[in-house]
Amino acid sequence: GDSVTQMEGPVTLSEEAFLTINCTYTATGYPSLFWYVQYPGEGLQLLLKATKADDKGSNKGFEATYRKETTSFHLEKGSVQVSDSAVYFCALNSGGSNYKLTFGKGTLLTVNP
Amino acid sequence: DAGVTQSPTHLIKTRGQQVTLRCSPKSGHDTVSWYQQALGQGPQFIFQYYEEEERQRGNFPDRFSGHQFPNYSSELNVNALLLGDSALYLCASSYTGGGYQNSPLHFGNGTRLTVT
Repeated sequence: GDSVTQMEGPVTLSEEAFLTINCTYTATGYPSLFWYVQYPGEGLQLLLKATKADDKGSNKGFEATYRKETTSFHLEKGSVQVSDSAVYFCALNSGGSNYKLTFGKGTLLTVNP
Repeated sequence: DAGVTQSPTHLIKTRGQQVTLRCSPKSGHDTVSWYQQALGQGPQFIFQYYEEEERQRGNFPDRFSGHQFPNYSSELNVNALLLGDSALYLCASSYTGGGYQNSPLHFGNGTRLTVT
């Protein structure tokens, strides 16, 4: 079945550091790929998405490229801020509709001033 | 414009009891999906409701059931609670009308269920 593997956390960085969170996936067909963010005490918010190979999703300085050859969708940001501290989830959809998502376990990011 | 709202925010139940969680979708949305998020894990898809019917289901036992009302709001019911049912239950809404199934999911803040 479909699965998503994220790098284990927690990840602790200083403000303005470069961020990479690795994500690889296994899926049948051609899924869309997503990054969601969960701030403390809140639900999940869509951060960015990519729907086909070589697409780059970007939002709020974060970006990720859909790499079909390596089945990866790594999240990057050039300069993190304290306000980026949250849990980040990589996900894919199954069956072509976006309401049935398979998530990774999440990566906790803490950014220190 | 209110987003997805869930109630209650926290709930404590005893093993063997039954629980009902509620969700109101974002304005303009007609589809509700439910997810279970155990501590330290990613959310897992439970089921999805559209046009008052369960359309898709994940790998959850029949103890988990749901309902969607004509105003698109939804309930998640769990019977015969087990300790392992303790989790954050997330509701997500989207728009499917007209056969468009790719609108993004909007999540609520969840209901934290503790089973003792």
